[in-house]
Amino acid sequence: DQQVKQNSPSLSVQEGRISILNCDYTNSMFDYFLWYKKYPAEGPTFLISISSIKDKNEDGRFTVFLNKSAKHLSLHIVPSQPGDSAVYFCAASSTGTASKLTFGTGTRLQVTL
Amino acid sequence: DAGVIQSPRHEVTEMGQEVTLRCKPISGHDYLFWYRQTMMRGLELLIYFNNNVPIDDSGMPEDRFSAKMPNASFSTLKIQPSEPRDSAVYFCASSLGVSSTEAFFGQGTRLTVV
Repeated sequence: DQQVKQNSPSLSVQEGRISILNCDYTNSMFDYFLWYKKYPAEGPTFLISISSIKDKNEDGRFTVFLNKSAKHLSLHIVPSQPGDSAVYFCAASSTGTASKLTFGTGTRLQVTL
Repeated sequence: DAGVIQSPRHEVTEMGQEVTLRCKPISGHDYLFWYRQTMMRGLELLIYFNNNVPIDDSGMPEDRFSAKMPNASFSTLKIQPSEPRDSAVYFCASSLGVSSTEAFFGQGTRLTVV
């Protein structure tokens, strides 16, 4: 059973526009959420995270929003750039489990010119 | 530091053969994780170690899979015998301490079992 779900396998956005990637989770014990970015033939790299005590975290062009009641988080990229084209994984963990991360299946973002 | 190093990058083997994947974590990191990536299930945690001790191997799919960490700088994931459905990309990751939730990943090993 997928505890972290990314229901959109792919997303295409024009350069300069906003990219919104969504993620849902089912395990109410999750209290820390991360987004990883993955380019082909490379390992995932950490992008941004958010603790469950917050509802928003911003880092440059990247903002993650958390809606605990809906068990939903989203990653906003503004403005989108061609270099943002990659697969984005949502991940979650619980306090005390260190970096034991449960990942979603990923969303492939294509930023077009 | 060179980051997490995995070898080989690619492995093609015949069904029934033994396969060994290798990982060198980042120096000083005390957690090591093995993940498997497939199209259907994304990144699945197979097993993780803390200070070289296996903590949770509930993600290991079958007895054909085994993992060891003989010292702080080396870990192996072995599949014996391998099957075509084991074909996937296997990632090793490491992290520092319980308070750190950011794991650093290696480049992965793409395994193809024919």
